Amino acid sequence: GNSVTQMEGPVTLSEEAFLTINCTYTATGYPSLFWYVQYPGEGLQLLLKATKADDKGSNKGFEATYRKETTSFHLEKGSVQVSDSAVYFCALGPNQAGTALIFGKGTTLSVSS
Amino acid sequence: GAVVSQHPSRVICKSGTSVKIECRSLDFQATTMFWYRQFPKQSLMLMATSNEGSKATYEQGVEKDKFLINHASLTLSTLTVTSAHPEDSSFYICSARPSDYQETQYFGPGTRLLVL
Repeated sequence: GNSVTQMEGPVTLSEEAFLTINCTYTATGYPSLFWYVQYPGEGLQLLLKATKADDKGSNKGFEATYRKETTSFHLEKGSVQVSDSAVYFCALGPNQAGTALIFGKGTTLSVSS
Repeated sequence: GAVVSQHPSRVICKSGTSVKIECRSLDFQATTMFWYRQFPKQSLMLMATSNEGSKATYEQGVEKDKFLINHASLTLSTLTVTSAHPEDSSFYICSARPSDYQETQYFGPGTRLLVL
């Protein structure tokens, strides 16, 4: 079945470092791909999404490109800030109408000044 | 736009009591709502999917008589944890989808439940 695999965390970086969080997926068809972010004590917020191959989603300096050939949707940011410290979830669009997104296990990012 | 609220944000109850958590889509109608439980190591566990006016579909291993879900309107779903026990203590998050033609889910801020 469809699934998402994220790199295990935690990821610890210094401010202004480059960030990559890997995400790969297994799916039939061509589902949309998502990144959600969860700040401490809060629910999940949609960070960015891509709906088809080669699409690049971007928001708040983060970006991810839908790569069909490598079945990946890695999240990147050129220069992280302390305020980016959060848990990041990669998600795959539902495999049938009315069903939920399929989430990875989440990756914790800690950025220190 | 696409704001989802949850109430309460935090609740403490005694073992054996029932707790109701509300999830509302504030600026859109949600044909489908989802309830998740989040464990300390971050992973999200989908508990059930609910559609307005019909019975919820529970994931395998989730007790439907313990976690009662009602989706009475296109903007409101409730989760009732019946006869709560300390092992039910967790972070419960709801999510709503505007229509089945959209895949994006919008999440509430979560409810922290502590059962003593």
